Amino acid sequence: AQTVTQSQPEMSVQEAETVTLSCTYDTSESDYYLFWYKQPPSRQMILVIRQEAYKQQNATENRFSVNFQKAAKSFSLKISDSQLGDAAMYFCAYLDPFGGTSYGKLTFGQGTILTVHP
Amino acid sequence: EAGVAQSPRYKIIEKRQSVAFWCNPISGHATLYWYQQILGQGPKLLIQFQNNGVVDDSQLPKDRFSAERLKGVDSTLKIQPAKLEDSAVYLCASSLVGGRIDGYTFGSGTRLTVV
Repeated sequence: AQTVTQSQPEMSVQEAETVTLSCTYDTSESDYYLFWYKQPPSRQMILVIRQEAYKQQNATENRFSVNFQKAAKSFSLKISDSQLGDAAMYFCAYLDPFGGTSYGKLTFGQGTILTVHP
Repeated sequence: EAGVAQSPRYKIIEKRQSVAFWCNPISGHATLYWYQQILGQGPKLLIQFQNNGVVDDSQLPKDRFSAERLKGVDSTLKIQPAKLEDSAVYLCASSLVGGRIDGYTFGSGTRLTVV
């Protein structure tokens, strides 16, 4: 079974600084998808960024970027120019490829609480 | 586009009582998921529907949990009887094609407290 590990239960950053959240995963598949989700206290799970495993280029979305190391099965999230609104729980997630006996199961890590200090 | 709707937002029940949660996915999304998120942990998949058929319920405690998806659209998740350890947020999500295009879209969840 696929597993996702986030080794940092909590992280903090000063406003306008940069922070990196770590994630590793285990899989025997070669084609899959990885995501970072943000969950504020409202509980709404918000998609931050996605990465297709077959793409070597790291995904970026404005201030958010990833460092995808397929061989190392590592998928870290970098937040640049941190803002107070970035404070939330962040989850790394692995998506099984859709096809065959799989219908796209999303497996989450344990989460990292990010605090942003003004 | 309307999001994934869930109700109720909060529910408090006594142990051994029953409770039901409702989810209305995004129109056209064939895949629907129920996740259980215990405080401080990542969400855990309980059950996954493809249209109105179950494709994964391996982690659903079937002695007390049940779920159905009516006509491939709305879904209800029921717990009967509830235990203290069922206290959690129950998240519903839907996706177009197994989440490949845009991941999942989540509802705001139902926070269940069992006392």
